Amino acid sequence: QQQVKQSPQSLIVQKGGISIINCAYENTAFDYFPWYQQFPGKGPALLIAIRPDVSEKKEGRFTISFNKSAKQFSLHIMDSQPGDSATYFCAASHNYGQNFVFGPGTRLSVLP
Amino acid sequence: DAGITQSPRHKVTETGTPVTLRCHQTENHRYMYWYRQDPGHGLRLIHYSYGVKDTDKGEVSDGYSVSRSKTEDFLLTLESATSSQTSVYFCAILAGEGNEQFFGPGTRLTVL
Repeated sequence: QQQVKQSPQSLIVQKGGISIINCAYENTAFDYFPWYQQFPGKGPALLIAIRPDVSEKKEGRFTISFNKSAKQFSLHIMDSQPGDSATYFCAASHNYGQNFVFGPGTRLSVLP
Repeated sequence: DAGITQSPRHKVTETGTPVTLRCHQTENHRYMYWYRQDPGHGLRLIHYSYGVKDTDKGEVSDGYSVSRSKTEDFLLTLESATSSQTSVYFCAILAGEGNEQFFGPGTRLTVL
């Protein structure tokens, strides 16, 4: 019940296209859903996060869509750029400071 | 990088030897975490600390111990390293008003 499922495992998108990564969870106690971006040889970096009281959050080209009833959330990258090529992780947590669970990651490649 | 450093950045050791990894932060954050990252598994929590001398186990704590004698330092020890502990280890801190984790640059550990 602590698991977070993530798909697809890998994704190839043309420059200018939309990249979509999906995550699903089971534990309804989760109340914080971040996305991380990781470049090779670097630590994950917080990209954007959402709480279940809103259905969408947008920051620049990055948008999180959240469906509480379906227990799913997704990351949309609009106008994808080669510089967005990285591994993306979704995560979920509940209780401040505790209970962090990460998805297995999606490797995104944006072709020029 | 939220003022987080990890040392060493790379280490090769032999099975059965003890190994200690260090995480150092400069901003007095209360929560600190140790994760391991392996292909297909995302990030898995090993141990975390919620204050000096206050620690708790994570999902994959077997074979690992931690210590936190000062706010700024969180040590991860492999008492007797095994090849299954070959991984990339990330330290993280909790910052901000939400459940926002920030990661260090990682330590690549190889156990031969």
